[in-house]
Amino acid sequence: ETGVTQSPTHLIKTRGQQVTLRCSSQSGHNTVSWYQQALGQGPQFIFQYYREEENGRGNFPPRFSGLQFPNYSSELNVNALELDDSALYLCASSPGLAGSGEQFFGPGTRLTVL
Amino acid sequence: GENVEQHPSTLSVQEGDSAVIKCTYSDSASNYFPWYKQELGKRPQLIIDIRSNVGEKKDQRIAVTLNKTAKHFSLHITETQPEDSAVYFCAPNFGNEKLTFGTGTRLTIIP
Repeated sequence: ETGVTQSPTHLIKTRGQQVTLRCSSQSGHNTVSWYQQALGQGPQFIFQYYREEENGRGNFPPRFSGLQFPNYSSELNVNALELDDSALYLCASSPGLAGSGEQFFGPGTRLTVL
Repeated sequence: GENVEQHPSTLSVQEGDSAVIKCTYSDSASNYFPWYKQELGKRPQLIIDIRSNVGEKKDQRIAVTLNKTAKHFSLHITETQPEDSAVYFCAPNFGNEKLTFGTGTRLTIIP
């Protein structure tokens, strides 16, 4: 196991609703990245937080937002849910800036939007 | 833009034989080249990585080779076992702080 946890495990929402997903990084890891993995696809980078500041964003609309807290926890918020938001959402933590070293993935939250 | 391609998309190999998966990327600024394994319903797991100043790295049955000039790196699995069956992703960076995952290769080991 990686020491990275996510909650909830599964979630069902309806179109238009809002959702908050949570991640707890390994202690000491200053960087957390969030990914969206649609069925049969590779993970797609949503954004990254380093020391509580956004440090890079992928090709996702502003209704995807995040927060990182000093206690190594973080959140992914998605507003105005759409059917295409149905996916596995993964967070990954790393001790320094990601992209140059191993990222430790959580088990993911599977979101279904009806 | 950032482009990562994996080949093949599916691969079936007889147990005990070798498997090779190739990843081609577009950005010459990439300096970190990992391979992840993802079993059904589980998280991606780093199995091997290589940095741009190294051409080859081996860890038991798994090896990665890097050709920076041609912008590709490959995963080699020897003496394959049934537990090697999974989806494999390459995920190079692009000189920035994120990983860009390929579309994946589904590897099936035939007993």
